[in-house]
Amino acid sequence: GAVVSQHPSWVICKSGTSVKIECRSLDFQATTMFWYRQFPKQSLMLMATSNEGSKATYEQGVEKDKFLINHASLTLSTLTVTSAHPEDSSFYICSARGKAKGGGSTDTQYFGPGTRLTVL
Amino acid sequence: DAKTTQPPSMDCAEGRAANLPCNHSTISGNEYVYWYRQIHSQGPQYIIHGLKNNETNEMASLIITEDRKSSTLILPHATLRDTAVYYCIVRNGNKLVFGAGTILRVKS
Repeated sequence: GAVVSQHPSWVICKSGTSVKIECRSLDFQATTMFWYRQFPKQSLMLMATSNEGSKATYEQGVEKDKFLINHASLTLSTLTVTSAHPEDSSFYICSARGKAKGGGSTDTQYFGPGTRLTVL
Repeated sequence: DAKTTQPPSMDCAEGRAANLPCNHSTISGNEYVYWYRQIHSQGPQYIIHGLKNNETNEMASLIITEDRKSSTLILPHATLRDTAVYYCIVRNGNKLVFGAGTILRVKS
């Protein structure tokens, strides 16, 4: 399957600071990217959907000014958690869907390995 | 949204087939059924998807009933590394919305 990477794999930050997480599609062009959040012992919760070059669409209850999403290219999306607080500590997972570099579309959604954020 | 219902947990003996059921009685005619799994502290891994016909790949088989109201994921020879949470998802337009999934425990 297609490969999606995330960086960093884990991060610890102080309360009030901002943290940026990168998501890259390595072998396909991600026309659509998704950001999920997962708390311990819970399922994945979709936060937002972004199409390349467009503003992200946020799910109900997700603060767009707190979780800034940029999808500036077909291989990169970033999620910035602004003014992070301990309750933002979670496992953040990106996902991508798009076109294979060799041609044709890959309608399947592939997931990154996740980023563990801990806010002290 | 077409929702899915899965048993919360299942056990399977190593080397035996694991059959994971999923009910999706409100599925629409053009909605696909996707299966993913998540091993602890990792991102979900795509397994297989289908619309009407049964599907098979190197990981698993997907059996969809004729009325499409339910499906079964089959891991033909489960190994300890198949222990994970398995999610059955009916794709709603552009999104994959995850439910609680089934915790599959493969035991030696």
